[in-house]
Amino acid sequence: DVKVTQSSRYLVKRTGEKVFLECVQDMDHENMFWYRQDPGLGLRLIYFSYDVKMKEKGDIPEGYSVSREKKERFSLILESASTNQTSMYLCASLAVNSYEQYFGPGTRLTVT
Amino acid sequence: AQSVTQPDIHITVSEGASLELRCNYSYGATPYLFWYVQSPGQGLQLLLKYFSGDTLVQGIKGFEAEFKRSQSSFNLRKPSVHWSDAAEYFCAVGAGTNAGKSTFGDGTTLTVKP
Repeated sequence: DVKVTQSSRYLVKRTGEKVFLECVQDMDHENMFWYRQDPGLGLRLIYFSYDVKMKEKGDIPEGYSVSREKKERFSLILESASTNQTSMYLCASLAVNSYEQYFGPGTRLTVT
Repeated sequence: AQSVTQPDIHITVSEGASLELRCNYSYGATPYLFWYVQSPGQGLQLLLKYFSGDTLVQGIKGFEAEFKRSQSSFNLRKPSVHWSDAAEYFCAVGAGTNAGKSTFGDGTTLTVKP
């Protein structure tokens, strides 16, 4: 079974803090994604990566950056957290032969 | 660019009743279409997908969906709903060579009445 894990299920941070969200997949997938999920807005793509050290902006990259140093790990970074970044963050990896995305359980981030 | 509309924000059905969740997409060519389900506190899980061929696709948990090109729709159906089907359902569309990068609808929350 494909497994996508995220470092924390719940996280509380203060405004201005630097926040790291980690995602690890165990299926050797090349493509990985970070989404944010807000009520009524569905999933919005923040960044995705199609290979180690390769990244591309999604629909809402402002205030975020990413790092992909190893194939299995894709990190989302909030350089200076703000209250409007309080949200559920979902990581996914993609099986290119089926285009199925495998999702992690999500990290619910609260910025106070 | 592709887009997805799920017209129903919230649907309530009785256990044992049939279910249809609507999804409309916008894309010039044949898209890749997906339905995902998200149970409370969980990530998303793929229910089914359509790439080409037979327009009626079968998925997991007894779900099926029908691609209708003329209506730009990909509605999800289940003949008899179980209480465990209560969840949020997302339709997604991928297109062309960038099929891995999908656009998601806003989701439909399903409540199942006993």
